[in-house]
Amino acid sequence: DIQMTQSPSSLSAFVGDRVTITCRASQNIGRYLNWYQQKPGKAPKLLIYTASSLQSGVPSRFSGSGSGTDFTLTISSLQPADFATYYCQQSYSTPFTFGPGTKVDIK
Amino acid sequence: QLQLQESGPRLVKPSEILSLTCTVSGDSITSSSYYWGWIRQPPGKGLEWIGSFYYSGNTYYNPSLKSRVSISVDTSKNQFSLKLTSVTAADAAVYYCARYVVEAQGFDPWGQGTLVTVSS
Repeated sequence: DIQMTQSPSSLSAFVGDRVTITCRASQNIGRYLNWYQQKPGKAPKLLIYTASSLQSGVPSRFSGSGSGTDFTLTISSLQPADFATYYCQQSYSTPFTFGPGTKVDIK
Repeated sequence: QLQLQESGPRLVKPSEILSLTCTVSGDSITSSSYYWGWIRQPPGKGLEWIGSFYYSGNTYYNPSLKSRVSISVDTSKNQFSLKLTSVTAADAAVYYCARYVVEAQGFDPWGQGTLVTVSS
């Protein structure tokens, strides 16, 4: 199985801050990397697919980059609605696997 | 608007079978552009992919669950179902069904999820 790691596991930030979350795969997954946002008690929501493509309806302050084993999710200016947990997921091969999540909360 | 809704017993006894159904509205599960699948999340923990299928018959399971899991499809009702046998407390989780978009290679959207508790 491809193992996914994320850093940091949690972070505190102010509204307006630039936030970066990193995801690393245990092997080369090309650009088969997705990012999801999950708020408490809700289902995950797809934000970014194939590493850098913005899902329809997702604000442009979200962006993704990377390829191979190292990937980044960036929120250019953190908004109150962005406080949530973020997961990366590889779709290079089954079993699909998720990172452990990064919780973003208010500083 | 596409919607997915999980249904089934919320309480299952240890060693018994967990059965859930996902009802899809607003799209057909026979669409060639999508797979469909199940993902679960133990309380306070991360996400685990259980399995996915394509309507024509291809089904993929997580090897960690493969001996206990099966996914079936009822195209006439636009539903698909999950069965997990010999459950233990470790199978307690929120179970989500979701559409896998082939073009995006990602799950979107997800159902609201249903919490299944394993207890005697």
